[in-house]
Amino acid sequence: AQSVTQLDSQVPVFEEAPVELRCNYSSSVSVYLFWYVQYPNQGLQLLLKYLSGSTLVKGINGFEAEFNKSQTSFHLRKPSVHISDTAEYFCAVIHFPNAGGTSYGKLTFGQGTILTVHP
Amino acid sequence: GAGVSQSPSNKVTEKGKDVELRCDPISGHTALYWYRQSLGQGLEFLIYFQGNSAPDKSGLPSDRFSAERTGGSVSTLTIQRTQQEDSAVYLCASSLTGTGTEKLFFGSGTQLSVL
Repeated sequence: AQSVTQLDSQVPVFEEAPVELRCNYSSSVSVYLFWYVQYPNQGLQLLLKYLSGSTLVKGINGFEAEFNKSQTSFHLRKPSVHISDTAEYFCAVIHFPNAGGTSYGKLTFGQGTILTVHP
Repeated sequence: GAGVSQSPSNKVTEKGKDVELRCDPISGHTALYWYRQSLGQGLEFLIYFQGNSAPDKSGLPSDRFSAERTGGSVSTLTIQRTQQEDSAVYLCASSLTGTGTEKLFFGSGTQLSVL
């Protein structure tokens, strides 16, 4: 079965410190990888995605992630966090092709990492 | 509308009752998804619509769950004879064409509590 593992359920960090949120996925022939963020009382928003090409992808709000195929990882990083980055972060994967031979937005999510930024 | 709209935002029901959850996707988006977010299971895929058809309903947990989409727009998720384990946040998302490379736009969800 396809799976995504987020290694840390909670990550506390001080403002302006760097942060890394870890994500590993079950191996597949081809994958699309995503990080979504859920701010309190809001819907999920896409931070960034890896589809192909350069393994370092940059997203919104200064976040970036690196795709590592050999380690089946897609860790999210930010060099300096702000209070406003406090949220729950979800790593997600689409394994393709699916049974129908196509890909669509059927995401398999990790369990989420709650990032808390302290002043 | 500007985003994906879900209603109601909160629903409290008694065990055994039926509930209907509504999703209004972004206008023009052909793909619509339902996900469920619960403490025990995390975020789970339920069903995918392309237009009014549901080519993938593999995530529906039991035959008590059903969904439809009409006019290529509004979707309704119906849960019959609700059970306490159905308590969760039900999220709807839409995307422009449905390909896996696209960004999904999520609504704020319906918090369902089954007493």
